[in-house]
This record gives sequence, structure tokens and C-alpha cells, in this order.
Amino acid sequence: DTAVSQTPKYLVTQMGNDKSIKCEQNLGHDTMYWYKQDSKKFLKIMFSYNNKELIINETVPNRFSPKSPDKAHLNLHINSLELGDSAVYFCASSLMAGELFFGEGSRLTVL
Amino acid sequence: DAKTTQPNSMESNEEEPVHLPCNHSTISGTDYIHWYRQLPSQGPEYVIHGLTSNVNNRMASLAIAEDRKSSTLILHRATLRDAAVYYCILRPRIQGAQKLVFGQGTRLTINP
Repeated sequence: DTAVSQTPKYLVTQMGNDKSIKCEQNLGHDTMYWYKQDSKKFLKIMFSYNNKELIINETVPNRFSPKSPDKAHLNLHINSLELGDSAVYFCASSLMAGELFFGEGSRLTVL
Repeated sequence: DAKTTQPNSMESNEEEPVHLPCNHSTISGTDYIHWYRQLPSQGPEYVIHGLTSNVNNRMASLAIAEDRKSSTLILHRATLRDAAVYYCILRPRIQGAQKLVFGQGTRLTINP
């Protein structure tokens, strides 16, 4: 059973399109995160939700909108995609003060 | 966010011990030292963490200097599967979500 699963794994799309990445965790964790890893391989936190409430919101364009329908899910919707949005997006979860468990990543390519 | 400094890359041989250093001279008294690693084409995974005392788990050992300004992750017997980027991260000991700040990490290559 995959602990943190993301779909899709690969996403190729045109500039200007809107796309979503879904994340689900079956670990019973109360906190979920989105991280972005760019071409230089730096991992940067974007958002974090605790019990469906947004608690970390880094400086991210408002074209990115996270949504947490319940504790086990955190989706990322991106409007008006730009070339610079091309990256690998990682979802993670944890108990509030515990270690993070990451998904395998979703590679987004914007053409 | 307190900063850590790690070598860009290291190389070792299979079945030999590996010592991965990390400097964190600006560490505060409430910062935990965390290590994560990222295998190729995978998400990061937790390795170990500590505060003051040395720590051991099934994956690795963490040796923390007495002044806490540096630490060393020790892989006792490296395998090819240990080839990854290793991140040393400081996390404040406060309640709240883990805003883990990843640096560049050390890319570890294991030779057969």
C-alpha cells in the first residue's frame, strides 16, 4: 500500500492551460504539504495544511491554489500555466511534529 | 531559517563506512538536526534526527558535536542503494508544522 500517492506522475501541457495534481495519504496524518523541486534540484515548500486548514503559505503566485477536502487529501490546482512552472511537485504528510513522508512526485512539463 | 553547509558531493565504495558532514554554526538551542535523503527519481525520505546526543537507527547513525555546530551522518556499510542526495536540515523545536528548508545537499556516489 502506497503511503503518499500522487496523480498524475507525469503531466505535459501547453502554456496557459489549467491543471490539477492530486495527493492522498493513508497514514492517518493530520498535516500535508506541497513542495516544488525545480530544474536545479532545490526543494522549496509551497503550502501546508493541518486538519484542512492552511497553515503555511510561502510566496507562491496566486495561480496556485491548494485544496484540502479532508485530512487525507491535498490537491494542487494551477491556473494559466507558465514555462517556469515546469518542475517536479512533491506531496508530503506528517503528524504535526513528526517526520515527513513524501510521495514519488509529479513531473509537470509546460510547453 | 538557520543554515547548513554540506559538501556538494562525496564518493565511497560499497561495503565501506561513509561519513557525511554538515556544518550548522548558527544553530540555536532549540533546533533539531534532521537528515533526509532523496534517491534518484523518488521523493525525499527521512533518515534520522537528533538534538544533542548521538542517535542510531536501522538506517544510520548521527554523531553530533559537543557544541552542536556540526554533525555527521554515518552509513556503517554503504550499499549501491545508498546512492542519493543527503540533506542536513535544522528544524526548530516548536509546535507547528514542519517547514523543512532543504539546502543543496550532498550527492553521494557509491562505487561497486
